[in-house]
Amino acid sequence: AQSVTQLGSHVSVSEGALVLLRCNYSSSVPPYLFWYVQYPNQGLQLLLKYTTGATLVKGINGFEAEFKKSETSFHLTKPSAHMSDAAEYFCAVSPRAGKSTFGDGTTLTVKP
Amino acid sequence: DAGVIQSPRHEVTEMGQEVTLRCKPISGHNSLFWYRQTMMRGLELLIYFNNNVPIDDSGMPEDRFSAKMPNASFSTLKIQPSEPRDSAVYFCASSLLSLRENYEQYFGPGTRLTVT
Repeated sequence: AQSVTQLGSHVSVSEGALVLLRCNYSSSVPPYLFWYVQYPNQGLQLLLKYTTGATLVKGINGFEAEFKKSETSFHLTKPSAHMSDAAEYFCAVSPRAGKSTFGDGTTLTVKP
Repeated sequence: DAGVIQSPRHEVTEMGQEVTLRCKPISGHNSLFWYRQTMMRGLELLIYFNNNVPIDDSGMPEDRFSAKMPNASFSTLKIQPSEPRDSAVYFCASSLLSLRENYEQYFGPGTRLTVT
């Protein structure tokens, strides 16, 4: 069994500020972890993923996430927010060769 | 690659009518997923196929919903009869799953369904 909890359904930051979106997961087997972004009126697209190896994963648009097994977390960060980062972000977990379970999503607002 | 293709992009229909949503996955992908997204319920997995076979349909709301995948390049999601509470954005996604790897899902642009 697997589950994902995204802490905070809405996060608001100022342009240029640090972005931190939280994701905690539970999984009975070593997981694959993903972050997806959804812009208005679009489908989800992959930001980054962790499979094996390096626990700090870099993705598109300056985002990165760190897999912390001891904390069962996979938080998403970006050092400096841009207006174009405003979107909904989904964390997802899956076992190898299985379906993904998505979190409820976090809406990021970037204030000028 | 054109990505995942969904049609129609928008559908407006009256309660009681049959609705068919269509999806063409990315060539070479062996898994296909249907999701529904609403403000109230968020993103819900309805059904997923692996190698054209339905693996998990536990998310299908009720018997009014049915999905088929007659071949590797086409899938349909049908609602009959439709009801206003079916109004949502329906996404199709495809992926490549193997015994050793679970690759990311590629989502289509969605079909926005409005049932009046």
